Amino acid sequence: EAEVAQSPRYKITEKSQAVAFWCDPISGHATLYWYRQILGQGPELLVQFQDESVVDDSQLPKDRFSAERLKGVDSTLKIQPAELGDSAMYLCASSLQGANSPLHFGNGTRLTVT
Amino acid sequence: AQTVTQSQPEMSVQEAETVTLSCTYDTSESDYYLFWYKQPPSRQMILVIRQEAYKQQNATENRFSVNFQKAAKSFSLKISDSQLGDAAMYFCAYRRVSGGTSYGKLTFGQGTILTVHP
Repeated sequence: EAEVAQSPRYKITEKSQAVAFWCDPISGHATLYWYRQILGQGPELLVQFQDESVVDDSQLPKDRFSAERLKGVDSTLKIQPAELGDSAMYLCASSLQGANSPLHFGNGTRLTVT
Repeated sequence: AQTVTQSQPEMSVQEAETVTLSCTYDTSESDYYLFWYKQPPSRQMILVIRQEAYKQQNATENRFSVNFQKAAKSFSLKISDSQLGDAAMYFCAYRRVSGGTSYGKLTFGQGTILTVHP
């Protein structure tokens, strides 16, 4: 069964450094999501793409976070500079278009900022 | 804005027994989807079951079933014949059907940790 690929699986970085995460959605999935999940809590949406366009980035801290999906396939989420409070699991998900299409999640990237 | 509340931070069940996880939500929409996702430790989030709000019949997937009470905005998950592999964090999630640009996103509850005792 096709899966959403994410890398790296784990990342440790120092405060004020830059960090980037990569996501490759399931082939044919036009919608891609980046979620942040703080330990012990539910995921919160950071940004949603429809093809290469951002359709929701209302919760993305734009002063330090950026996301792109240049060719409408894979996506990169960047943080610069990282802060201690950014330590969390970053989940990528993809889906076909339509509210009845379930989200398929990757394994996530666990970020620790020291 | 829609909110999803899971009031049980932790639940436990004996193997082969039945357990029910609670979820309530708040919305002004009349049509939407509700989901239960399972997240095992250090593993990816996977879909357990989904319910369309316009359907009165409760969804069922093998040992998993829901009790959807639209008027009460309640969406509980029942796990029958619990197995050790059911141990995980369970998340209830809401999704709008249409309107606006953020219809596709899932809004999650805080999660319930389920422990299964042998």
